Amino acid sequence: SQQGEEDPQALSIQEGENATMNCSYKTSINNLQWYRQNSGRGLVHLILIRSNEREKHSGRLRVTLDTSKKSSSLLITASRAADTASYFCATWDNQGGKLIFGQGTELSVKP
Amino acid sequence: GAGVSQSPRYKVAKRGQDVALRCDPISGHVSLFWYQQALGQGPEFLTYFQNEAQLDKSGLPSDRFFAERPEGSVSTLKIQRTQQEDSAVYLCASSSHRDYLYNEQFFGPGTRLTVL
Repeated sequence: SQQGEEDPQALSIQEGENATMNCSYKTSINNLQWYRQNSGRGLVHLILIRSNEREKHSGRLRVTLDTSKKSSSLLITASRAADTASYFCATWDNQGGKLIFGQGTELSVKP
Repeated sequence: GAGVSQSPRYKVAKRGQDVALRCDPISGHVSLFWYQQALGQGPEFLTYFQNEAQLDKSGLPSDRFFAERPEGSVSTLKIQRTQQEDSAVYLCASSSHRDYLYNEQFFGPGTRLTVL
């Protein structure tokens, strides 16, 4: 079973715009990770944020985590056509000790 | 190559056939994971190895699914008497440390299994 939900399920924007994706989860977590998947490169790890962190940056990526609301967001700034992919959040739950993925957001960046 | 590799990339099986999917993790990676990804869904955990020990197989959907990693490197996921609902992409991932909770996982390209 999947951990949580991602919102929106699909997002279409123009190159240069920002893209925001949200993730909600259900259980207590150790950390939350974001992954990208496209047909060319498979599933690739983007960023990891620990449960005691609130915000993290990596290049054009900004991730926030609100453990009180059990939610996270991924912001991609100045999007590029190459950012077109599916984006998944994944959590390590403290009980199960396994990585549980959301259903993903399909991002389309139009040139 | 430095990444996780999987073979075959595509497999078509007739219902009832047995299949074996192979994963070559990144050299030296202690932890190895198998996931099943249905179309339009996120990956779902199947099983986890630390070296040759299978520490968690709670995600295997039935006793038709079996995984092994006898020498702590290459792993094989075997599906016996395949059914149409087994059609999915099977992903393998590896991670570098025993304390896998804190590490990213490196994924292979997956094997797309189609059961007719």
